[in-house]
Amino acid sequence: EAGVTQFPSHSVIEKGQTVTLRCDPISGHDNLYWYRRVMGKEIKFLLHFVKESKQDESGMPNNRFLAERTGGTYSTLKVQPAELEDSGVYFCASSQGDRGLVETQYFGPGTRLLVL
Amino acid sequence: DQQVKQNSPSLSVQEGRISILNCDYTNSMFDYFLWYKKYPAEGPTFLISISSIKDKNEDGRFTVFLNKSAKHLSLHIVPSQPGDSAVYFCAARRANSGGSNYKLTFGKGTLLTVNP
Repeated sequence: EAGVTQFPSHSVIEKGQTVTLRCDPISGHDNLYWYRRVMGKEIKFLLHFVKESKQDESGMPNNRFLAERTGGTYSTLKVQPAELEDSGVYFCASSQGDRGLVETQYFGPGTRLLVL
Repeated sequence: DQQVKQNSPSLSVQEGRISILNCDYTNSMFDYFLWYKKYPAEGPTFLISISSIKDKNEDGRFTVFLNKSAKHLSLHIVPSQPGDSAVYFCAARRANSGGSNYKLTFGKGTLLTVNP
């Protein structure tokens, strides 16, 4: 079974440009989460989808970030315009959605974003 | 305000000895705790978890201990192996009544190095 995949693995852009990150969850997983780790700090929650619906966006830094999950399958996270402080590793995780609190989240390898 | 704290950025142990990684939390609403392991350029991988109604959970060489009154948990690895060298993240979450958002709150991680 394929794991969570993320594309691209790395992205280097200039301040003010737009970048779109993609996440493909494990097939059949209803829950999809985005997290971000800024260098040296903790991994922080950004938002959570259940199928195509946003369940919680409380971790989104500001309105420069837009997440979508088309048809409840893959998800995209767009940063527009990118700022220097957006640099970090963006992780996507998915879980099945029927085991509640004990459910395991499976993480993708992350997208390393560097804004110059 | 960091709700999950891993105060040791790094730990070095000899192969065959015990590794003890510590984690403290401040939010008394957390009722499920997890440890994730992360190798460079990969996403976090679930290792072991514990519910707040237990004080110990064991899986092979890995044991997690929870002290609710002290809001402290620890991960013991016995015996430690060079392949255990990685960053270990402590994470916590809480049940949301009526919802399904089990977002994780992470610590900053501890880099474990097991020397041959």
